[in-house]
Amino acid sequence: GNSVTQMEGPVTLSEEAFLTINCTYTATGYPSLFWYVQYPGEGLQLLLKATKADDKGSNKGFEATYRKETTSFHLEKGSVQVSDSAVYFCALNTGANSKLTFGKGITLSVRP
Amino acid sequence: NAGVTQTPKFQVLKTGQSMTLQCAQDMNHEYMSWYRQDPGMGLRLIHYSVGAGITDQGEVPNGYNVSRSTTEDFPLRLLSAAPSQTSVYFCASRTGSNNSPLHFGNGTRLTVT
Repeated sequence: GNSVTQMEGPVTLSEEAFLTINCTYTATGYPSLFWYVQYPGEGLQLLLKATKADDKGSNKGFEATYRKETTSFHLEKGSVQVSDSAVYFCALNTGANSKLTFGKGITLSVRP
Repeated sequence: NAGVTQTPKFQVLKTGQSMTLQCAQDMNHEYMSWYRQDPGMGLRLIHYSVGAGITDQGEVPNGYNVSRSTTEDFPLRLLSAAPSQTSVYFCASRTGSNNSPLHFGNGTRLTVT
């Protein structure tokens, strides 16, 4: 079956530090890959996505590249801000009506 | 555009009580789903629907019922609440395409005492 593995958290960084959050997956077929972000007290919202191998998704300074050879979709940002403090979820979907599979999420705290 | 609307935002129940969590979307999305979020567990799928009149079970369906009489609404019913159902519940919807992202409501925080 499908699965998503995220690195263990939480992660605490200083403002302007470089961020990498690891995500690897196991899937049948050719999944679409997503990163979602959850700010305190809110639902999840899409951060970025990639639908085929070597695609790069980007939004709000965050980037992730779909690596089929390593089955990975690591999230990166060159300079984090306090406002990036949130929970980040990696997810995949393999078919039109299939269910989205989520990783366990990782909490990022950015201190001034 | 309201998106996905969940009510109530907070609810406290006693063990054995029943209630319905409401979810409505105004984006004409075919696919709707319910997740629960618990610390250290990520999001777990309870039930989902690929269109009006069609529902199916997710990973953790026991103790919950759903129905989908219209495209817009997808209520989640707790039949006899248990403390193990204390959680934050999220409703989400998307189009039928596998490239389409889920749109989430803001959640219902449920406590069962």
